[in-house]
Amino acid sequence: DIQMTQSPSSLSASVGDRVTITCRASQGISNYLAWFQQKPGKAPKSLIYAASILQSGVPSKFSGSGSGTYFTLTISSLQPDDFATYYCEQYSTFPLTFGGGTKVEIK
Amino acid sequence: EVQLVDSGGGLVQPGGSLRLSCAASGFTFSDHFMDWVRQAPGKGLEWVGRSKNKAKSYRTEYAASVKGRFTISRDDSKNSVYLQMNSLKIEDTAVYYCVRDGLYGGIHLFDIWGQGTMVTVSS
Repeated sequence: DIQMTQSPSSLSASVGDRVTITCRASQGISNYLAWFQQKPGKAPKSLIYAASILQSGVPSKFSGSGSGTYFTLTISSLQPDDFATYYCEQYSTFPLTFGGGTKVEIK
Repeated sequence: EVQLVDSGGGLVQPGGSLRLSCAASGFTFSDHFMDWVRQAPGKGLEWVGRSKNKAKSYRTEYAASVKGRFTISRDDSKNSVYLQMNSLKIEDTAVYYCVRDGLYGGIHLFDIWGQGTMVTVSS
């Protein structure tokens, strides 16, 4: 199975900050990488696919990059609505696997 | 509006069975692959399995942790997908999400999520 490792597991940031979350795959997955946002008690929401393409309706303050084994999700100018847990997921190979999540909290 | 509504969760004893349902609306259900993803309390996301569409002969894939115990089926006439869970274990306790796969550049990937239904396995 492909292991997905996210870092950090949590971070504290202020409104207006720019934050970057990293996701590493245990083997190359090309750009078959998605990002999801989950708020407490809610279902995940799809943000990005193919490492860098925003899902319809997702604001441009979210951006993704990377290929192979190293990927990043960047949120520019954090707003209160962005405080949540973020997950990466590889869809290159079965079983589909997720990173452990990064919780973005208010400083 | 594109929507998935998950139902059927509840409390079940170890070794028991439960069937989850996911009702879809707002899109052509029969065109899409459908997945189940679960999340244990306070934990991350875990893929459970996938049902492909009629064009792909309704083939299924499963995570090793549930293979042989869980079965995904679908009824395109009812716009629904199901997760039959047998021989349940305490570690199957989780919120179960139905997820639609969209087709993006020839690749099927998660795009729409149901609200989830809670399954608790306990004696």
